[in-house]
Amino acid sequence: EAQVTQNPRYLITVTGKKLTVTCSQNMNHEYMSWYRQDPGLGLRQIYYSMNVEVTDKGDVPEGYKVSRKEKRNFPLILESPSPNQTSLYFCASSLTGTLSSYEQYFGPGTRLTVT
Amino acid sequence: KNQVEQSPQSLIILEGKNCTLQCNYTVSPFSNLRWYKQDTGRGPVSLTIMTFSENTKSNGRYTATLDADTKQSSLHITASQLSDSASYICVVSAKGIKAAGNKLTFGGGTRVLVKP
Repeated sequence: EAQVTQNPRYLITVTGKKLTVTCSQNMNHEYMSWYRQDPGLGLRQIYYSMNVEVTDKGDVPEGYKVSRKEKRNFPLILESPSPNQTSLYFCASSLTGTLSSYEQYFGPGTRLTVT
Repeated sequence: KNQVEQSPQSLIILEGKNCTLQCNYTVSPFSNLRWYKQDTGRGPVSLTIMTFSENTKSNGRYTATLDADTKQSSLHITASQLSDSASYICVVSAKGIKAAGNKLTFGGGTRVLVKP
């Protein structure tokens, strides 16, 4: 089954404790992206990757890191989480980021709470 | 600044009734417009994707329209069902250079509640 998976689905952590949220897709998609969703603010892009070893900042990259060493995986790293990073995070992928009409598939979400 | 505004923020409708959601955008240069359905706590799921030359697209009981001249889109839900209760998000894509890719701008969503 074609899908985007994220782990963990739920995470409660403390300020400053490094964490990684994994994202994997099995559709051989070139483009992958991370979003956060907060009440009243909608979905905002954190980072995206056009292909392996090609990443770039989205609208709200501060406090986050990403890497794309393999096509299928795109982990989101919070080196020193802070309470303002408490949010619902979504990973998404699409066949390519340059052609306009390809559908973007979203993962199930990771709810992160930083205390 | 690229923006996508959706209205209303929320609405309640009775099962079996129709409703229409609105999306106005200022994204330029326009590439395509998408409507997503998002169930609470779940990832968005694509309903329709429309490019500049398309002015209507259907997916079952969902019909999206696009007026590229006025930069408006609507999503019409026909004969609503309880399972239609969700947030509906309008997303507009701006054409980007190859290196940067297309840039997506998300609307804040309309929360729909269908009551029996």
